[in-house]
Amino acid sequence: ETGVTQSPTHLIKTRGQQVTLRCSSQSGHNTVSWYQQALGQGPQFIFQYYREEENGRGNFPPRFSGLQFPNYSSELNVNALELDDSALYLCASSPAGGGGYQETQYFGPGTRLLVL
Amino acid sequence: GDSVTQMEGPVTLSEEAFLTINCTYTATGYPSLFWYVQYPGEGLQLLLKATKADDKGSNKGFEATYRKETTSFHLEKGSVQVSDSAVYFCALSDRGGAQKLVFGQGTRLTINP
Repeated sequence: ETGVTQSPTHLIKTRGQQVTLRCSSQSGHNTVSWYQQALGQGPQFIFQYYREEENGRGNFPPRFSGLQFPNYSSELNVNALELDDSALYLCASSPAGGGGYQETQYFGPGTRLLVL
Repeated sequence: GDSVTQMEGPVTLSEEAFLTINCTYTATGYPSLFWYVQYPGEGLQLLLKATKADDKGSNKGFEATYRKETTSFHLEKGSVQVSDSAVYFCALSDRGGAQKLVFGQGTRLTINP
């Protein structure tokens, strides 16, 4: 069984640019969540997708957007990058039907983004 | 809103020592509680979880009991190993809305041989 995969592993961008991060969910999982982990901090919830629809959003501005595809893979897009966007971006998938608070989320290795 | 508070780190212990990492939470409902571990340069791995009061989660010698009366979910291990060195995160997932995890700030654990 293939776990959650993310690409790229590392990325360097300059302020004002746009970036797209990708995530393939674990087989059989239909829910994908994205988290931002700043250095030395716990992950912060960005948003969640369930069956191609946004199913909840954290306290992030609209320049953070996402997509989920019919195969349940997902993208995170960030426009107008700021220095504070430098972080590890984690994708997690779960088999929950979009509301299973008891379900385990399985995390990918993350994409480390550096904004200069 | 929901929140998780973890014991401040870093924590440094000798091999075979007893480990406790404290975790308390605030939630409006009856959340599920999780401990995740992050090894250097990697993503998060689930260590254990508990979904209702008085449940005990356990894995790889680690244990944590869901205590509703004290809103706590402390992580314990009787005898730590060098390979347990990592960052440990306590998290909750509450009912309703998105299945989002709310994490504590993490506790860095170093085990010396």
